[in-house]
Amino acid sequence: EADIYQTPRYLVIGTGKKITLECSQTMGHDKMYWYQQDPGMELHLIHYSYGVNSTEKGDLSSESTVSRIRTEHFPLTLESARPSHTSQYLCASSSGVRNQPQHFGDGTRLSIL
Amino acid sequence: GENVEQHPSTLSVQEGDSAVIKCTYSDSASNYFPWYKQELGKRPQLIIDIRSNVGEKKDQRIAVTLNKTAKHFSLHITETQPEDSAVYFCAAIKRDNFNKFYFGSGTKLNVKP
Repeated sequence: EADIYQTPRYLVIGTGKKITLECSQTMGHDKMYWYQQDPGMELHLIHYSYGVNSTEKGDLSSESTVSRIRTEHFPLTLESARPSHTSQYLCASSSGVRNQPQHFGDGTRLSIL
Repeated sequence: GENVEQHPSTLSVQEGDSAVIKCTYSDSASNYFPWYKQELGKRPQLIIDIRSNVGEKKDQRIAVTLNKTAKHFSLHITETQPEDSAVYFCAAIKRDNFNKFYFGSGTKLNVKP
């Protein structure tokens, strides 16, 4: 079934560790996005990509980085995790056609100790 | 850029009553307006959307209305049920190829049995 998959679902890790959050979609979508969201609160766009080798920073400044080497894969990396990075990270994708909805993954809930 | 404001931030209704959530947008170039529902611990899910060439759209108990002149759009839920309890997000998307979503800040709807 076509969907967008995020791993891990939950991650508790110590300060200073390098973290990579995985996001893959089997929907054939060109555009992918990363949002940061505290539970039930606003969605803050931190990164987006229009296609392979294209990445842009979003509206909320983030110390994370992203890459888009394959259409279906859009991982997010934190080089050195800090407690301020504790949050939920949602990945989304949309087709290249105008005015189509974004589809979200289940999210990764990240806790930095 | 676009600015989307959403009201109210919280809404409590009795089961069977109607609920209305309102959003305003600033950029007249926006022409696609989806609504998402996010249940506790789940991913945001598209529930209804409307394009700027339409003034109203209905899907069973939910409807969305759009007033392009006033730049506002609203979500209407009739005969509310406890399972409608969730956070609802509106969004506005500009008429371009980038499909960047501008989300409202969310409305927490509580339907009391």
